[in-house]
Amino acid sequence: DAGVTQSPTHLIKTRGQQVTLRCSPISGHKSVSWYQQVLGQGPQFIFQYYEKEERGRGNFPDRFSARQFPNYSSELNVNALLLGDSALYLCASSLWGEGNYGYTFGSGTRLTVV
Amino acid sequence: QKEVEQDPGPLSVPEGAIVSLNCTYSNSAFQYFMWYRQYSRKGPELLMYTYSSGNKEDGRFTAQVDKSSKYISLFIRDSQPSDSATYLCATPNTGGFKTIFGAGTRLFVKA
Repeated sequence: DAGVTQSPTHLIKTRGQQVTLRCSPISGHKSVSWYQQVLGQGPQFIFQYYEKEERGRGNFPDRFSARQFPNYSSELNVNALLLGDSALYLCASSLWGEGNYGYTFGSGTRLTVV
Repeated sequence: QKEVEQDPGPLSVPEGAIVSLNCTYSNSAFQYFMWYRQYSRKGPELLMYTYSSGNKEDGRFTAQVDKSSKYISLFIRDSQPSDSATYLCATPNTGGFKTIFGAGTRLFVKA
């Protein structure tokens, strides 16, 4: 079985541009969460989706948005990119909405804003 | 005060040593606790999760939770160079829709 897949693996964008990151969860998993990890820090929660509904949103500006599709894959969109958005963006998959038993993470998308 | 505090290290030990990694948390309502391992340029990998206080063992790894002092630990026995990675402690918030991570401790095991 494939794990959590994220695309692209790397990308470089210019300040002010928009970016879309994609995630496919493990087959059968209905929950997808997005995290931002800045170098030297732990992952920070951005969004969680369960059964295509947003269940939680972290302390990120409205420039960040996400959605989950009927096949449970997900996209994270970031508008008006800032230098500070440079980070590793991680997608996490779980069977249920609660993260009490941990997540399976993808390898992430490394975004560099110049 | 951060909800989960973790010393970033780095921690350097010789091969075969017992490693102790630690975190503290602030909210006594937290019930589930996880340890993740993250290799360079990879996503975190779940090592273990525990519920409430007590110990849980899996091979060379033991997770320990002391809810009275809000302290969680991960012990690695017979450490190997392949254990060199960043170790993240984590706990879901009440409601479980987000997980709060520590900053991660970088571990180096020297052959």
